[in-house]
Formats: sequence, C-alpha cells, structure tokens
Amino acid sequence: DSGVTQTPKHLITATGQRVTLRCSPRSGDLSVYWYQQSLDQGLQFLIQYYNGEERAKGNILERFSAQQFPDLHSELNLSSLELGDSALYFCASSPRTSGGGETQYFGPGTRLLVL
Amino acid sequence: QQQVKQSPQSLIVQKGGISIINCAYENTAFDYFPWYQQFPGKGPALLIAIRPDVSEKKEGRFTISFNKSAKQFSLHIMDSQPGDSATYFCAASPGTGTASKLTFGTGTRLQVTL
Repeated sequence: DSGVTQTPKHLITATGQRVTLRCSPRSGDLSVYWYQQSLDQGLQFLIQYYNGEERAKGNILERFSAQQFPDLHSELNLSSLELGDSALYFCASSPRTSGGGETQYFGPGTRLLVL
Repeated sequence: QQQVKQSPQSLIVQKGGISIINCAYENTAFDYFPWYQQFPGKGPALLIAIRPDVSEKKEGRFTISFNKSAKQFSLHIMDSQPGDSATYFCAASPGTGTASKLTFGTGTRLQVTL
C-alpha cells in the first residue's frame, strides 16, 4: 500500500459525459501527478500540482483539467469523453517538486471505460 | 528528445535465471532513473532507482547498471522467481528544475516459469 488513495476504482460512462477522478496523496506529500495508462500509449504524464499550484503539463487534452485543493487532494476532470479516453488513470505523489529525482508513489488507479 | 526506449517488450525466464531489461534515453537533462514494477490491477511501485553519479546499484536480487556515455541503463533480476512475474517500466526524470515528471519506457512483461 503506497498511501495514495484514488476513487473511484472503476468508472463506466458514455461518450460525451464528464467525470471526476479523485486522489488523496500520502500524508505530507505536496506534489501530485496524474498519469494515463493505455495499451497503445503506455504510461503518459498528464499534469503535476505542487501545493495547490500547477507546475508541469504533459500530454493533457484541453478537455481534461485538474486542480489541487488546500487539503492537498487533487481532482482530475475529464469532459466530452470519447471512446479513446478509456484507460487507467493513476495519481502519484511525492514530498516536493524541485530538485528532481524524487520517488513518486502511485495510487491503485481508476479504470475508466467510455462506452 | 523526451523518449525512453525499453526492450524487450516481453521476456520469459526460467525460475532461478537472470532477467535483463534494457532502456535507452536521449535527453541529457535526465538525472534520475527509477524502475517500477506493476502487477495486474495495481499501480506501479518503485523497485530501485539510480542517479548517474554511480554505474551500478544493487538491492537484493535487483541491480541497475548505468552507462552514462551510452545513455543506457538496465535492470538485472538475479535468481528470478515466479513472484517476479509482472510488468517492469524504466523511467527517467530531470534532476533540476521545478518538475519531476517521469518519462516512462513502454514496459516489459516478464514471465518467470517453473
């Protein structure tokens, strides 16, 4: 158990809908990262937040957005869903953002299926 | 520039054998190289990590070898066990700057047979 929690574990929805994925980082971790894992794209970095502020953006679609709240939990919002958005979405956390080379602890993931 | 190339895609090793997975990177700003292990239905878990100031790091049966000039690093699993059957990802991240995002390899599915 990494200490990172994600809800829900599974999500089934229809195209065009909007969903929210939630992540609680390990106690004391200030950085939260979101990754998407799909069969054809592998593990792709989406976005990082540090202590409430966006720090880095990866291959995140404009239909996707995220935020980190004062209690440090984070939410990833996916809207206008398409079939191709079906994937595993992982949240990871680490103690700080700068200095690089920190261990990132991954949550169990949310499996999203868009029908 | 940001890619991390991983091989092989899949690997079958007999119990007690040595499993070897290789990765190569292009971005010279990468300064931290972790390996993650992922079991089906679970999130990736850190296995072992190395920085370029050393050429080898060993933790139990797991060893990372690092060749900075060739921009390559590899994971060796000694005395492979059926419980090691999982998908392994190499990754890399910059050592400086304000973000530590990980760039992952494509993964190697390891099967250890009896």
